[in-house]
Amino acid sequence: GNSVTQMEGPVTLSEEAFLTINCTYTATGYPSLFWYVQYPGEGLQLLLKATKADDKGSNKGFEATYRKETTSFHLEKGSVQVSDSAVYFCALKRPTGGFKTIFGAGTRLFVKA
Amino acid sequence: KAGVTQTPRYLIKTRGQQVTLSCSPISGHRSVSWYQQTPGQGLQFLFEYFSETQRNKGNFPGRFSGRQFSNSRSEMNVSTLELGDSALYLCASSEQETQYFGPGTRLLVL
Repeated sequence: GNSVTQMEGPVTLSEEAFLTINCTYTATGYPSLFWYVQYPGEGLQLLLKATKADDKGSNKGFEATYRKETTSFHLEKGSVQVSDSAVYFCALKRPTGGFKTIFGAGTRLFVKA
Repeated sequence: KAGVTQTPRYLIKTRGQQVTLSCSPISGHRSVSWYQQTPGQGLQFLFEYFSETQRNKGNFPGRFSGRQFSNSRSEMNVSTLELGDSALYLCASSEQETQYFGPGTRLLVL
């Protein structure tokens, strides 16, 4: 079946450090891939998405590239800020048949000033 | 446009009771999905409704049910509550490839 595996946290970084959160997936066909962010006490917000191989999603300085050959969708940011402290979820969705989304376990990021 | 709204935001129930949660999607969105979030199991898909029909279903017992009305508003119901049902229940409405999540209803079962 479809599944998403992402690196365990928490990840603790100093402000302006480089961020990588690894995400790999197992799926049949060509799923759409997503990164969501959850701030304390809130629901999930879509951070970025990619719908086909080699697509790069980007938003607010975050980037992720859909790698079909390695079944990966790693999240990166060149310089993190304290305000980026949150939980990040990698997720996949089948390309057709509705919005059933499979989420990874989430990675908590702490950014220190 | 207004975002996804969920009511109530917080709820405390006792074992054996039932509960109904409500979700109002973004205007014009016809798909509504429900997820359960717990520290142990993470985010798990419950079900999706599209134009008043259940389109997808997750692996939850029959105590969990839902419905969607003609105005796309959705409700989910959990009967015979168990302690393990304590969770944050998230609703999402969708269009194209994007899901928009509400703030969630936090349910505590005592």
